[in-house]
Amino acid sequence: NAGVTQTPKFQVLKTGQSMTLQCAQDMNHEYMSWYRQDPGMGLRLIHYSVGAGITDQGEVPNGYNVSRSTTEDFPLRLLSAAPSQTSVYFCASSQSPAQETQYFGPGTRLLVL
Amino acid sequence: KNEVEQSPQNLTAQEGEFITINCSYSVGISALHWLQQHPGGGIVSLFMLSSGKKKHGRLIATINIQEKHSSLHITASHPRDSAVYICAVRNTGDFGNEKLTFGTGTRLTIIP
Repeated sequence: NAGVTQTPKFQVLKTGQSMTLQCAQDMNHEYMSWYRQDPGMGLRLIHYSVGAGITDQGEVPNGYNVSRSTTEDFPLRLLSAAPSQTSVYFCASSQSPAQETQYFGPGTRLLVL
Repeated sequence: KNEVEQSPQNLTAQEGEFITINCSYSVGISALHWLQQHPGGGIVSLFMLSSGKKKHGRLIATINIQEKHSSLHITASHPRDSAVYICAVRNTGDFGNEKLTFGTGTRLTIIP
């Protein structure tokens, strides 16, 4: 199993550009989440999904969209990038109900100029 | 909203020392996670606790539900234990780990 994969690893955007951060898992996990990590702050939840076709907002959803058309994939879309979205983004997955292990992707470092 | 606080923020110790990292939270939870973030950025799940104590190798995690407090202990610390240790909680009523609330982490450095 590849576990949780994220692409790209690093991206530079200009303000106003859009892009999609990809996340995929091959463990047949129902639960998937997107977090952002900023210096001096804990990981904050952007959006999450409890299964294909079901998504919901987390703590900091503004400026981001998600969809979950398959169990495997959970892409995060930045609609119009802003410098405040400069961050490291982590995708995570786990089995339902609550499984011991939460699996994290390697992260995507995003710089918005 | 659950407030998760970790202490200390930074900890430097000599190889072999016994390490304790603390986590407290403000509202009742259904589970607490301890995670390790490597210097390269990858995040690995260490433990999930809902009561009592768990042990894995040199790592021990305890939780006191009444006091809303958890500790992570490392025995016989080694330089490879150097990492950021993160506490995260699952709120009561949530049945999965899809929306955890995280602490800011404790940066541990073990000097040979």
